[in-house]
Amino acid sequence: DTGVSQDPRHKITKRGQNVTFRCDPISEHNRLYWYRQTLGQGPEFLTYFQNEAQLEKSRLLSDRFSAERPKGSFSTLEIQRTEQGDSAMYLCASSSSGHFEQFFGPGTRLTVL
Amino acid sequence: DAKTTQPPSMDCAEGRAANLPCNHSTISGNEYVYWYRQIHSQGPQYIIHGLKNNETNEMASLIITEDRKSSTLILPHATLRDTAVYYCIVRVQYTGNQFYFGTGTSLTVIP
Repeated sequence: DTGVSQDPRHKITKRGQNVTFRCDPISEHNRLYWYRQTLGQGPEFLTYFQNEAQLEKSRLLSDRFSAERPKGSFSTLEIQRTEQGDSAMYLCASSSSGHFEQFFGPGTRLTVL
Repeated sequence: DAKTTQPPSMDCAEGRAANLPCNHSTISGNEYVYWYRQIHSQGPQYIIHGLKNNETNEMASLIITEDRKSSTLILPHATLRDTAVYYCIVRVQYTGNQFYFGTGTSLTVIP
């Protein structure tokens, strides 16, 4: 399968711990997006990369959050000093330039105890 | 990006057409209408998009009113697998930034 993959699919952590999620986009896609989704809500944009450059960040992305895409391929999203309010599904999507469709991965479900 | 309004939930009998409405009264001339759906515990899936003409693909049809202030997504023969949350989104095409998802319409297909 050559779709967007995310790892891990589920993560349970204690408050105050750091967590890191990985996203592998579709190989030829140069754009990569991170979204967060809480129960009963639609996905909310967090940040966007074109190749390795992080071009846009939402105000939702506090200084405890950092995202990287070092070689313009896979991306990581790190949350430091997790809080219970960080519990959510973290979705990654990718697209190619000039195309309208974003392809989403299955998401990583984070539970902060 | 323009705001959209959708009913929170709808039911549809299996085998019948599901018609999902969306209001986007503040849409601007260069904004497209996109539809995505999200089946439980999965990432959103693209369905269809359009500017002002009606569009059809293998999944659905999109009917946009002449004034472009509203649209309807039509699933012609709903199946149980179509049970999902459907999101209507408007945005300028070919921009690199995000989609603004609202809360969508939760469609339940009833056997």
